[in-house]
Amino acid sequence: ETGVTQTPRHLVMGMTNKKSLKCEQHLGHNAMYWYKQSAKKPLELMFVYNFKEQTENNSVPSRFSPECPNSSHLFLHLHTLQPEDSALYLCASSQDIVRRGRVGETQYFGPGTRLLVL
Amino acid sequence: DQQVKQNSPSLSVQEGRISILNCDYTNSMFDYFLWYKKYPAEGPTFLISISSIKDKNEDGRFTVFLNKSAKHLSLHIVPSQPGDSAVYFCAASPANAGGTSYGKLTFGQGTILTVHP
Repeated sequence: ETGVTQTPRHLVMGMTNKKSLKCEQHLGHNAMYWYKQSAKKPLELMFVYNFKEQTENNSVPSRFSPECPNSSHLFLHLHTLQPEDSALYLCASSQDIVRRGRVGETQYFGPGTRLLVL
Repeated sequence: DQQVKQNSPSLSVQEGRISILNCDYTNSMFDYFLWYKKYPAEGPTFLISISSIKDKNEDGRFTVFLNKSAKHLSLHIVPSQPGDSAVYFCAASPANAGGTSYGKLTFGQGTILTVHP
């Protein structure tokens, strides 16, 4: 298995359900990201983890709860979601959060989880 | 306030011709720019990048041009092939400042490229 994988690829859940999205990267990277892509909108950054520490929470509602047990795995726990949370959720990884003096940082994406909240 | 804009939602090109995808940005702190390609039901795939110290970067059929004074970048695909048909996103990343998170990417809305045989 190579690159960035995400499971499940598709998920339908009710507003009272609890589910989790899983991301795994096989690139030896240290930074991982969650993005949300809603219809006809740009990708929106949700969370950033660097060396298992959360470095960014982009004002995401608490019904989304990330977890990063190690540098290779990232989870997004979902509970009491709303229909407007239906979207494509993408995971990405990069070498690490760039430190001063280093130019550029490329992120590599997984295939995404298509989520439908009923 | 959208800091990265792709003003053309779609572009249609004949096979063999040049495709030019455009992107504008407003944040002068951005200094690293990337292009991603996305097929339906797949995640974005990294294509090519450029840092602000350059004005051109080439990789095979793909060339990215950066005009810092105009805050504009473009992706040229020559020659275009039907397999290039996809959604293309430009993204930008800021310079490191004060030790804060530097890897944060801001994406444009995407341009749907269709290459006709």
